Amino acid sequence: DAGVTQSPTHLIKTRGQQVTLRCSPKSGHDTVSWYQQALGQGPQFIFQYYEEEERQRGNFPDRFSGHQFPNYSSELNVNALLLGDSALYLCASTTLTGGKNIQYFGAGTRLSVL
Amino acid sequence: DAKTTQPTSMDCAEGRAANLPCNHSTISGNEYVYWYRQIHSQGPQYIIHGLKNNETNEMASLIITEDRKSSTLILPHATLRDTAVYYCIGNAGGTSYGKLTFGQGTILTVHP
Repeated sequence: DAGVTQSPTHLIKTRGQQVTLRCSPKSGHDTVSWYQQALGQGPQFIFQYYEEEERQRGNFPDRFSGHQFPNYSSELNVNALLLGDSALYLCASTTLTGGKNIQYFGAGTRLSVL
Repeated sequence: DAKTTQPTSMDCAEGRAANLPCNHSTISGNEYVYWYRQIHSQGPQYIIHGLKNNETNEMASLIITEDRKSSTLILPHATLRDTAVYYCIGNAGGTSYGKLTFGQGTILTVHP
């Protein structure tokens, strides 16, 4: 059983560009959350998707947007990249019917903005 | 979600028990305490969670004080592979279900 998979593993972009990161949730999971982790910091919640809709959102600007597909996979899009967007982007999945709120994380995508 | 406070770093000898404390004095009655860890260059990994009773699984034990203002994660026989950042998180579920608020965590170093 594959866990949470993210692609690509690493990515290098320049300021002003746009980027799309992808996530496939663990089998049986219907809810996907995205986190940003700057170097030396704990992960920060960006947003969560359930039933193809954004269910809740953290304190991130509108440059950060997402999408969830019918197969529960998800994308994170970041427009007009800033140097400060350089971070590890983590995807986590769970199922709201589980009742235990246990998140399973992928290994992340390391984004470098030059 | 409750604010949690953890020591910045701790050391432990291999084979000994590692006891990681967490203060969550503002935790509300319906908030669970979750523990995750993050090994270098990997995503966080769920360890254990509890509400008010002590819990044990194959990875660790969780001891929650009776007033629920603090808890301790216990790794009974630490190995070098347990070296990681350990996060203590309070979460009530409901509208915040799935949203984990990570702090700085505790860097646990297990040495030979």
